[in-house]
Amino acid sequence: DQQVKQNSPSLSVQEGRISILNCDYTNSMFDYFLWYKKYPAEGPTFLISISSIKDKNEDGRFTVFLNKSAKHLSLHIVPSQPGDSAVYFCAASAAYSGAGSYQLTFGKGTKLSVIP
Amino acid sequence: DVKVTQSSRYLVKRTGEKVFLECVQDMDHENMFWYRQDPGLGLRLIYFSYDVKMKEKGDIPEGYSVSREKKERFSLILESASTNQTSMYLCASRDTGFRNQPQHFGDGTRLSIL
Repeated sequence: DQQVKQNSPSLSVQEGRISILNCDYTNSMFDYFLWYKKYPAEGPTFLISISSIKDKNEDGRFTVFLNKSAKHLSLHIVPSQPGDSAVYFCAASAAYSGAGSYQLTFGKGTKLSVIP
Repeated sequence: DVKVTQSSRYLVKRTGEKVFLECVQDMDHENMFWYRQDPGLGLRLIYFSYDVKMKEKGDIPEGYSVSREKKERFSLILESASTNQTSMYLCASRDTGFRNQPQHFGDGTRLSIL
């Protein structure tokens, strides 16, 4: 059962416009959420995170919103740039005790294409 | 900056071979992870280690084992390689000073089993 879902495999956006990437989760134990960006032939790079005690976190052009009641988070990129074209992974961590607390559960990714 | 180095970017092996993938991190991180990434499946956790000589199975450990003899090095072993283990393998490390720390990834090893 997929606990972290990114239902859009791909997204195309014009340069300068807003990109919105969505992520849904099913496990109510998740309390920390991250977004990673991945270029081809490179490893994922950490982008931004949010704890469940917040509903918004901003870092420059990137903002993550968390709606706990809907078990939904989204990543907003404003303005979008061609260099933002990459695969974006949503990930979640649960407040388990012991070794389980170290794990991240990843979504399948959304490929963002920013068109010049 | 955290540096996670995977020994090979590309590797080609034959079915039945024993394959070693090596990963080294330079930040004295306690936690290290091995994932595989396949199209349409995202990143799936194979094994992780929360300290030296400690290991835990992830979601897809079958056909793999790991070794962590030194803090900076985490090895993934394919005991008898099969074609369904052709994949991109990603290593990551993380500090445990604070629970909510991101994992930092290497650039991956693209492994082909013929």
